[in-house]
Amino acid sequence: QVQLQESGPGLVKPSGTLSLTCAVSGASISSTNWWSWVRRPPGKGLEWIGEIFHSGRTNYNPSLKTRVTISVDKSKNQFSLNLSSVTAADTAVYYCARSAAGLDSWGQGTLVTVSS
Amino acid sequence: DIVMAQSPDTLAVSLGERATIYCKSSQSVLYSNNKNYLAWYQQKPGQPPKLLIYWASTRESGVPDRFSGSGSGTDFTLTISSLQAEDVAVYYCQQYYNTPYTFGQGTNLEIK
Repeated sequence: QVQLQESGPGLVKPSGTLSLTCAVSGASISSTNWWSWVRRPPGKGLEWIGEIFHSGRTNYNPSLKTRVTISVDKSKNQFSLNLSSVTAADTAVYYCARSAAGLDSWGQGTLVTVSS
Repeated sequence: DIVMAQSPDTLAVSLGERATIYCKSSQSVLYSNNKNYLAWYQQKPGQPPKLLIYWASTRESGVPDRFSGSGSGTDFTLTISSLQAEDVAVYYCQQYYNTPYTFGQGTNLEIK
């Protein structure tokens, strides 16, 4: 059974960079799946951020594309999210997930607050 | 981007009764392989979303059979045939026809 676990700072200063890592267990990140990041701001709905394939190929949400970088580390079976120039609007619970037919496995999520 | 619109925003249903949630996409999510690239999720407070339905009508393993999905093209429905107390949650539809993948705004399902 695949498991995903997000990790990273829970507090980031405005204009800084949000950095999160998703550790994958029970499945190889080099499988045929893509791997996604999704967020849910407080009181709002779900927003897909982007995805990565083990080759390093990425797809990003155009609304965030200029600020987002998703990378993969096959040796550690994990992938990462960097979001630059953050503001309070980037405060959210961030989830990593496996992209299959839909997003079929999710991490528990981690709350990242942008505040000075 | 494909815009996903759900209705209603909030739904109150009595225990044991049927609950129906609608989802409409701004363009067809039916691909040439005759599959609808449409998923449904359930999210309870403090938990991640849980995949219920994919390909518009295929139940994920372990999902109770009171949950069913239907529809094609741009119009889709999630039905809970007999509402249980544990079904109280927010429900989302999502298209994975193309990127950026997009979600509906969510439907808050309550007990009447």
